[in-house]
Amino acid sequence: AQTVTQSQPEMSVQEAETVTLSCTYDTSENNYYLFWYKQPPSRQMILVIRQEAYKQQNATENRFSVNFQKAAKSFSLKISDSQLGDTAMYFCAFMKLSGGSNYKLTFGKGTLLTVNP
Amino acid sequence: DTAVSQTPKYLVTQMGNDKSIKCEQNLGHDTMYWYKQDSKKFLKIMFSYNNKELIINETVPNRFSPKSPDKAHLNLHINSLELGDSAVYFCASTISSGANVLTFGAGSRLTVL
Repeated sequence: AQTVTQSQPEMSVQEAETVTLSCTYDTSENNYYLFWYKQPPSRQMILVIRQEAYKQQNATENRFSVNFQKAAKSFSLKISDSQLGDTAMYFCAFMKLSGGSNYKLTFGKGTLLTVNP
Repeated sequence: DTAVSQTPKYLVTQMGNDKSIKCEQNLGHDTMYWYKQDSKKFLKIMFSYNNKELIINETVPNRFSPKSPDKAHLNLHINSLELGDSAVYFCASTISSGANVLTFGAGSRLTVL
């Protein structure tokens, strides 16, 4: 079974600064995807970024980038130029690609990020 | 033009009652899920359907019964509600042959009194 660990229950950052959220995972799979989702106070789950395990290049989406270390099973999220609207719960998630249509996301427990003005 | 829509968004009911939550997606996806988010915000998968066929059934009490009349709909019926069923229930969908990104609904907050 896969497990996802987010060791920082809460973090805070000043507006315009950079923050990094940590995530580690445990799996014996070789083919999988990793995701970061954010959940603002509105409760909606919003995809932030996705990384395919077979790609060595780290994924980037505007101000959001990841540091994917496959051997270390680490998948951290860096948010640059933090904005007030980035305040949310951030979930790291794992999806294995074997098993046919048996795709499921396994989530970490989340990190509550607060961006302060 | 909501992609994944759930109804109702809020549900307050008494212990012992039976209730249903409905989910519909208009994305042309073939795989749908139910996730439960508890009071500590932990998200755990409950069920997954692919083309109306049950694929994933985690260790969920049999008071919970999902039904998928077609691949665009996945409903969740809960019998004999208990206090511990209070949570936010999320529906999600994806295309199994695609990028495997799950699109989530807005969630349905169930409160059992």
